[in-house]
Amino acid sequence: AQSVTQLGSHVSVSEGALVLLRCNYSSSVPPYLFWYVQYPNQGLQLLLKYTSAATLVKGINGFEAEFKKSETSFHLTKPSAHMSDAAEYFCAVSTSSGGYQKVTFGTGTKLQVIP
Amino acid sequence: DTGVSQDPRHKITKRGQNVTFRCDPISEHNRLYWYRQTLGQGPEFLTYFQNEAQLEKSRLLSDRFSAERPKGSFSTLEIQRTEQGDSAMYLCASSLSGAGGNNEQFFGPGTRLTVL
Repeated sequence: AQSVTQLGSHVSVSEGALVLLRCNYSSSVPPYLFWYVQYPNQGLQLLLKYTSAATLVKGINGFEAEFKKSETSFHLTKPSAHMSDAAEYFCAVSTSSGGYQKVTFGTGTKLQVIP
Repeated sequence: DTGVSQDPRHKITKRGQNVTFRCDPISEHNRLYWYRQTLGQGPEFLTYFQNEAQLEKSRLLSDRFSAERPKGSFSTLEIQRTEQGDSAMYLCASSLSGAGGNNEQFFGPGTRLTVL
């Protein structure tokens, strides 16, 4: 079984401030972890993914995330928020099951960037 | 653009009507997934195809829902006798099979269904 918990359904930051979006996962096998971004009325775009290589993963648009096995966390950060970062962010966990890539998403965190 | 495309982008229907959505995956991708996303929630898995074979279905996929991928390329998702609770964004994704479970799923823009 696998699950994802995103702490905080809404996060507000000032433009230029640090962005921190929290994600904790549960998985009975070593997971792959993803962060996706969704803009209104659009599909999901991959920001970054952890695939058991480096624990610090760099993604697009200046985002990065650190896999911490001891804390079962995969928090998303960005040093300086831009207005264009306002969107909804989803953390997801993926494990292989009989060759099938089972992906479970969190409930999402809406990021508001205040000018 | 050779990404995942979905048609229509929006569908408004009356309760009890049937609707059909289409998904065209990235051309070389052999895996195709359907998800449903309701307001304030993350996408929830509905079903999965490898080539033309439907290999897994979620319990969310009631008998009013049927999905096909007849030639292993595009897929359709049909909902019969729609109910107001079917109102949601229906997302399609595709991926290329390979070792491990890290193969990225590429998402389409979704079809937003509103059942009146």
